[in-house]
Amino acid sequence: SQQGEEDPQALSIQEGENATMNCSYKTSINNLQWYRQNSGRGLVHLILIRSNEREKHSGRLRVTLDTSKKSSSLLITASRAADTASYFCATEVWIQGAQKLVFGQGTRLTINP
Amino acid sequence: IAGITQAPTSQILAAGRRMTLRCTQDMRHNAMYWYRQDLGLGLRLIHYSNTAGTTGKGEVPDGYSVSRANTDDFPLTLASAVPSQTSVYFCASSVSAKYNEQFFGPGTRLTVL
Repeated sequence: SQQGEEDPQALSIQEGENATMNCSYKTSINNLQWYRQNSGRGLVHLILIRSNEREKHSGRLRVTLDTSKKSSSLLITASRAADTASYFCATEVWIQGAQKLVFGQGTRLTINP
Repeated sequence: IAGITQAPTSQILAAGRRMTLRCTQDMRHNAMYWYRQDLGLGLRLIHYSNTAGTTGKGEVPDGYSVSRANTDDFPLTLASAVPSQTSVYFCASSVSAKYNEQFFGPGTRLTVL
């Protein structure tokens, strides 16, 4: 089963509104990362938040991490059409004796003009 | 070359054929990864390499093999392709295996008939 699960699976909002996506995970983590994927393209790293951090900002992005609830949220403020993409959270888990990133299934965000 | 490249962009392959997907990065990153992305399943790690000369198995390694003869190249081979290997394959790299963002290639869309 997936380590990270995003919620909602799909989100459609009007341009200029804020978009919030959530990620829940199951085991303890060292860090959590968020990635964006435009249709037909590879993933692009957005932000990394460490387990001892509670909030992090990057431009219009704000990420929070609540390790007690094993959850994270990604907020995109003042959304633009170009923000239309799928967004994935990724956490580190042990796979075959090594720590590797495991991605959730993603939230598909559509920004309507 | 700038970043990470993959070849071919897409391929249609008959079942039972051997196929090698190529991945090259020019960032001198130590760690490299192969993922497959399927609808509804997100990205799943196939194989990884923490440094040149070493490789490891991810979540779904069966039917795939990799090699890491040098820092830049990380080819993925399907020895005898099966229809269930129809997917989009992404190669990624990171500075090191821990706590680092991953940089993704543009992907290879593979169809096995």
